[in-house]
Amino acid sequence: EVQVLESGGGLVQPGGSLRLSCAASGFTFNSYAMTWVRQAPGKGLEWVSGISGSGLSTYYADSVKGRFTISRDNSKNTLYLQMNSLRAEDTAAYYCAKLAGSTVYYGMDVWGQGTTVTVSS
Amino acid sequence: QSVLTQPPSVSGAPGQRVSISCTGSSSNIGAGYDVHWYQQLPGAAPKLLIYGNINRPSGVPDRFSGSKSGTSASLAITGLQAEDEADYYCQSFDSSLSARFGTGTKVTVL
Repeated sequence: EVQVLESGGGLVQPGGSLRLSCAASGFTFNSYAMTWVRQAPGKGLEWVSGISGSGLSTYYADSVKGRFTISRDNSKNTLYLQMNSLRAEDTAAYYCAKLAGSTVYYGMDVWGQGTTVTVSS
Repeated sequence: QSVLTQPPSVSGAPGQRVSISCTGSSSNIGAGYDVHWYQQLPGAAPKLLIYGNINRPSGVPDRFSGSKSGTSASLAITGLQAEDEADYYCQSFDSSLSARFGTGTKVTVL
């Protein structure tokens, strides 16, 4: 079964850091681009970051550029999101999603259940 | 902030047809980037409904259809069912090298 499973969410103080992980299984991980999408409580979906299958190309939303870093370890079938300088407005459920191809232009065809990040003092 | 605009809500009686618009610009939909659609049921993760403007993943009923023209796209649901009550989002890419989601539309089955 093709699936992705996020972990690493939690409560962090403003200005703090957190690293999210996304374990993938059931597909050839390095053949597919991956992405992070977040959803603040009661709000719509917001794309956060994407990475190509090779890991050579990365993309970020303006709201997180310079603070978040996306990476992947294709030997471990795992996607990461390093989040630094966290702000209250980063509070959201963070979803990991597989794209249907090797670049970020494809649709997001497999989603995890999400991990919650709360930024608060 | 989203640059893909959707109506906040649409509603219809069971069996009716509803349509959701997704209005973009020359830097995203109009630039030729594909549009994808997602369904998010209450309390659940989003699910891919339409990819590449018009294609349905296996398992998605043919009641759902997508189209694209110029700087806009649309999702149509025919034969509306109670289980279709959900939030729907369009998504495309932007020439600023960012993916974008639409503002989201809540579909209510009367």
